[in-house]
Amino acid sequence: DAGVIQSPRHEVTEMGQEVTLRCKPISGHDYLFWYRQTMMRGLELLIYFNNNVPIDDSGMPEDRFSAKMPNASFSTLKIQPSEPRDSAVYFCASSFGGRADTQYFGPGTRLTVL
Amino acid sequence: GENVEQHPSTLSVQEGDSAVIKCTYSDSASNYFPWYKQELGKRPQLIIDIRSNVGEKKDQRIAVTLNKTAKHFSLHITETQPEDSAVYFCAASNYPGNTGKLIFGQGTTLQVKP
Repeated sequence: DAGVIQSPRHEVTEMGQEVTLRCKPISGHDYLFWYRQTMMRGLELLIYFNNNVPIDDSGMPEDRFSAKMPNASFSTLKIQPSEPRDSAVYFCASSFGGRADTQYFGPGTRLTVL
Repeated sequence: GENVEQHPSTLSVQEGDSAVIKCTYSDSASNYFPWYKQELGKRPQLIIDIRSNVGEKKDQRIAVTLNKTAKHFSLHITETQPEDSAVYFCAASNYPGNTGKLIFGQGTTLQVKP
């Protein structure tokens, strides 16, 4: 049974470039969460979806960040333009409605913005 | 707002000793308390969880206790082994009130010395 899948695993880009991170949740899960992890701020919830609809995006740092979930098996987190302070590990997690708070994390994308 | 405080931030024990990590939560409506283990460069993995209708839960060498009156919960690891070395995160949620949103503690780095 495949877990949460994220791509790419590593991304190095230059300041000002657009970055797109991708996530495939566990099949049958109807909640999807995007987190950012840094040493300074720990694990931060950026946004989460239920049945492909954004429920809470209060953690999205600014307008440069956007997230979409066009269908139940795919989500993207886009940063445009990217800045060095966006360097972090971005995790996607999914859960099932009956126990929406039991979340399973993907392997993460390590983003470095030069 | 909702907050979870985790202590200590670092913990060093000798192999075979016990380790205890404590978390305090602010939202009295919280009803779910998971613990995640994150090894270096890996994803957070759910290792044990407890819901508010239970005071204690055990799984082999790990256990979690919950004190709803004092609003704190703890992770206990007995007979520690070097492979227990990792960062441990506690979290709390109020489901379905907060629709699965987890509030994470800042993490505890556990080092088990052989």
